[in-house]
Amino acid sequence: GAVVSQHPSWVICKSGTSVKIECRSLDFQATTMFWYRQFPKQSLMLMATSNEGSKATYEQGVEKDKFLINHASLTLSTLTVTSAHPEDSSFYICSATNRGSYEQYFGPGTRLTVT
Amino acid sequence: DAKTTQPNSMESNEEEPVHLPCNHSTISGTDYIHWYRQLPSQGPEYVIHGLTSNVNNRMASLAIAEDRKSSTLILHRATLRDAAVYYCIISSGSARQLTFGSGTQLTVLP
Repeated sequence: GAVVSQHPSWVICKSGTSVKIECRSLDFQATTMFWYRQFPKQSLMLMATSNEGSKATYEQGVEKDKFLINHASLTLSTLTVTSAHPEDSSFYICSATNRGSYEQYFGPGTRLTVT
Repeated sequence: DAKTTQPNSMESNEEEPVHLPCNHSTISGTDYIHWYRQLPSQGPEYVIHGLTSNVNNRMASLAIAEDRKSSTLILHRATLRDAAVYYCIISSGSARQLTFGSGTQLTVLP
């Protein structure tokens, strides 16, 4: 199957700093990428949908100025958590898909800890 | 997207078949049924999807009720590596967002 990578796999940052997470589709072109957040022992919650070359569409309750998403190419999307706070500590997962595909390919996730 | 109902947890013995049920009574005619699974500390993994007919792939089989209001994911011979949270998701169209419910935690006993 298709491979999606995320970098970094884990990161620890201080409160008030910004962190960038990369999501790459390694062997296919992803017209759409999704960003999810998962708190311990909870399910995945969709944060935003990102189409290549377009502005991301954010889910209700997700601050677009805090979670900056860029999908500049068909193989790369980035999520920047700005002015991170301890409550932003979570497991961030991206997925990628192609127009016409019914499968989403998920990255391995990035564990963010804000101290 | 249609809401799904799954048991919180199930247990199976290793090398035995597992039937994971999912109810989706509000599914519409064009909605697809997707199954994903998530191992601990990993991103979800696609398992299978279908529309009306039963589907088979190398990982599992998907049995869809005639009225499409329920479906069953079948793992033919469970292994310890199949222990995961299994999510049944209803989504319309391709390249669409997925709404994850709470899923079923499958425990495989040696």
